[in-house]
Formats: sequence, structure tokens, C-alpha cells
Amino acid sequence: NAGVTQTPKFQVLKTGQSMTLQCAQDMNHEYMSWYRQDPGMGLRLIHYSVGAGITDQGEVPNGYNVSRSTTEDFPLRLLSAAPSQTSVYFCASSYSLAGSSYEQYFGPGTRLTVT
Amino acid sequence: GDSVTQMEGPVTLSEEAFLTINCTYTATGYPSLFWYVQYPGEGLQLLLKATKADDKGSNKGFEATYRKETTSFHLEKGSVQVSDSAVYFCALSAPGRRALTFGSGTRLQVQP
Repeated sequence: NAGVTQTPKFQVLKTGQSMTLQCAQDMNHEYMSWYRQDPGMGLRLIHYSVGAGITDQGEVPNGYNVSRSTTEDFPLRLLSAAPSQTSVYFCASSYSLAGSSYEQYFGPGTRLTVT
Repeated sequence: GDSVTQMEGPVTLSEEAFLTINCTYTATGYPSLFWYVQYPGEGLQLLLKATKADDKGSNKGFEATYRKETTSFHLEKGSVQVSDSAVYFCALSAPGRRALTFGSGTRLQVQP
């Protein structure tokens, strides 16, 4: 298994540009999520999905869109990039078992710089 | 809302020293508690977890005990190695939820 993969690893955007960060997992996990990591703030949840066709907002959703057309893929779209979106983005996935503690598997991250 | 507070770093230790990284939380009910580790240039990996009061999670010589009375989940290791140098994150998930609430992370530097 490749686990959780993310592309690209690095990206530089100009203010106002749009782009999509890709995330894929091959573990048949129902639950997938996106976090951003900023210095001194830990990771914050952007959006999540509990299965194909179902998405919901996390703590910091503004400026981002997601969709979940397949179990494997969960892309994150930046609609109009802003310098405040400069961050490291992590995708994560986990099983969806009611009543259990959920270990989340993280991808290697995408480092995004918006100038 | 839920929150996690962990000690600020960096924490610098010599090899074979004892490690403690403090973590306290605020949450309703009985959350699950986790420690994740991030090695340089990599994503986060689960280090250990505990799902109910007085549970002890352990892995790779690291331990943490779920203390409901003090709402704490401190990470300890008896003898650190240079290879333990990383950023450590304490996190919780509320009952029935999958989303994680993270602390700000603590960077550990172990010197030979």
C-alpha cells in the first residue's frame, strides 16, 4: 500500500491564482480530511468527508473547496489564493468505525507559498 | 470548544536523558487522546493513544497515561536518543467524532 499520497510537494502561487492540491489513499478509508499547519498553531481542520459524495466544513474552511467523487480521492481547491493561505497542507484518512478511536494516517504534506 | 495545550519548545536534551512533554486538554465527555510525531520533512505518524481514563498508551519506549482528574496526557520516555528528535503533537478527538484537535506541537532536539 502507498498509504496517503499528496501532490505536489511544493507550490508557489501568486495572489489571486487558483489551484488544486491532490490527495489519494489506497486503504479504502471512508473518512478523509484536510488540515493546514502553521507555526505555533498546530494543525487546524479545513474540510472533511465521511464518504463519497459527503463533505463538511472544519474549523477554517474559508477560501477552500472540496469534493469527494470517489472513496480514494479528496482534492482541495484554492479558489483565489491569498498570502494568508501560505502554509503546509496535510491530507489524512481513517477507517469509519462507530465507537472506536480513529487512528488517522497522514500524507507527507504540500508546502504552499502565496506571494 | 475542545482545546489542547502543550508545553512550548524547543526542548533540548542530551542523549539518554529523561523526557517529559506536558499536555492538558479541555473537552466535554471522554475524548480519545493521541500523541503524534512529525520527523523532519515528513507527515505526522501516530505514536500512541488512549481511549479511556487511566489507560496507558505506549510505543517505542514512549508512554502517556490518560488522567481524567487532571485532564492531562503527558508524554514520557526514560532515555531519549538522537533519533527521537522531532516535533510531538498532542491531540484529542471528541466522543463519536473523527476530527482531531491538535496542540501547537513541541519540538524536541536530542544532542549526542
